[in-house]
Amino acid sequence: GAGVSQTPSNKVTEKGKYVELRCDPISGHTALYWYRQSLGQGPEFLIYFQGTGAADDSGLPNDRFFAVRPEGSVSTLKIQRTERGDSAVYLCASSNSGGLNTEAFFGQGTRLTVV
Amino acid sequence: GNSVTQMEGPVTLSEEAFLTINCTYTATGYPSLFWYVQYPGEGLQLLLKATKADDKGSNKGFEATYRKETTSFHLEKGSVQVSDSAVYFCALSELSHDKIIFGKGTRLHILP
Repeated sequence: GAGVSQTPSNKVTEKGKYVELRCDPISGHTALYWYRQSLGQGPEFLIYFQGTGAADDSGLPNDRFFAVRPEGSVSTLKIQRTERGDSAVYLCASSNSGGLNTEAFFGQGTRLTVV
Repeated sequence: GNSVTQMEGPVTLSEEAFLTINCTYTATGYPSLFWYVQYPGEGLQLLLKATKADDKGSNKGFEATYRKETTSFHLEKGSVQVSDSAVYFCALSELSHDKIIFGKGTRLHILP
């Protein structure tokens, strides 16, 4: 596609359930980022992939959060035993190298609501 | 650690007014600096950037100058339009870290 695609656009789940959020980056982009944005806040870094490997996962809040990118393209963010505090918009971005002069293109996000 | 602080909103201006949104940063090295914009119902998009001291980024009438001495990257526009209503995020990225760190965002309302 022409841009970064995230699915679903909205997800409502019950506390304690497992969820998966999907990101389709721009074709050919090697770098992929996940961010979380709570209401009234800026995007908070979660994890960064360069190719298939997680180059920096220092932003994952705890071991309930995990992300994969097995073929270096599509990525899935997985949240186990969801809590109400996980409710936020989860943003994905991709860029063609990840260096300082490259632009990160963002998807429209998945709004996760844990009830 | 690295961080970005920007003025709190919302900021409400009349059309054709002059705009300044302040942004200061804290970084251990020499970051690149960005302004991202989020229009209603749309995703974040890069507005402008500057990669070294004294560089000026510009786009769509917006400008920001990388000021190392004051660790600032204030966003300015001489004459705003209703279509500029959006949330603006200041951000930085360092060579040794590929992640982009964002400020909390400033909501801008332009009245006709």
